[in-house]
Amino acid sequence: DADVTQTPRNRITKTGKRIMLECSQTKGHDRMYWYRQDPGLGLRLIYYSFDVKDINKGEISDGYSVSRQAQAKFSLSLESAIPNQTALYFCATSDGTEYNEQFFGPGTRLTVL
Amino acid sequence: QKEVEQNSGPLSVPEGAIASLNCTYSDRVSQSFFWYRQYSGKSPELIMSIYSNGDKEDGRFTAQLNKASQYVSLLIRDSQPSDSATYLCAVGLYNFNKFYFGSGTKLNVKP
Repeated sequence: DADVTQTPRNRITKTGKRIMLECSQTKGHDRMYWYRQDPGLGLRLIYYSFDVKDINKGEISDGYSVSRQAQAKFSLSLESAIPNQTALYFCATSDGTEYNEQFFGPGTRLTVL
Repeated sequence: QKEVEQNSGPLSVPEGAIASLNCTYSDRVSQSFFWYRQYSGKSPELIMSIYSNGDKEDGRFTAQLNKASQYVSLLIRDSQPSDSATYLCAVGLYNFNKFYFGSGTKLNVKP
């Protein structure tokens, strides 16, 4: 079984709709992250959480919100989706040790029409 | 200036050759350095981590770190067509809880 799972894997929605992307992990890691990836722009950090009570904005948090429901679950919401939020979204986890290696889920391809 | 810089490529090498991928970073307090491989439409996969100056070898992969010059490189020996992917360099600053990715270098290994 995959250590980091994301649902859904693909989603097509319309402008203005509320969308939730979910991430679950069985690695036992405290730290979880949401990234988006656009062609030519690399990975950009949206939000990150170091534990259930700690949520932090990344470099591109506008238009997004998150919820850390448990150590193993971290959800990303688009309150009112817009076309420029069309991207590949990745969840990642890390153990928070000195070297902090990050491990990625399979990704969600989101298309906003 | 970006925190992590990579040549976007594509870098083309023949099968069996050595592929050399380079990355520079701007923050001197960076502590941990990573190479991820990403196939098109897939998630990044961690292939190498390096934390101290010098070389670290794992199979066909060698990571090289030079903190004085602020660069990290990845060598892939005996390159195979299956190595064709985008390689992302990442840098971590533990004390500041920061982690930066480069934009990636696309590698094409030609049969």
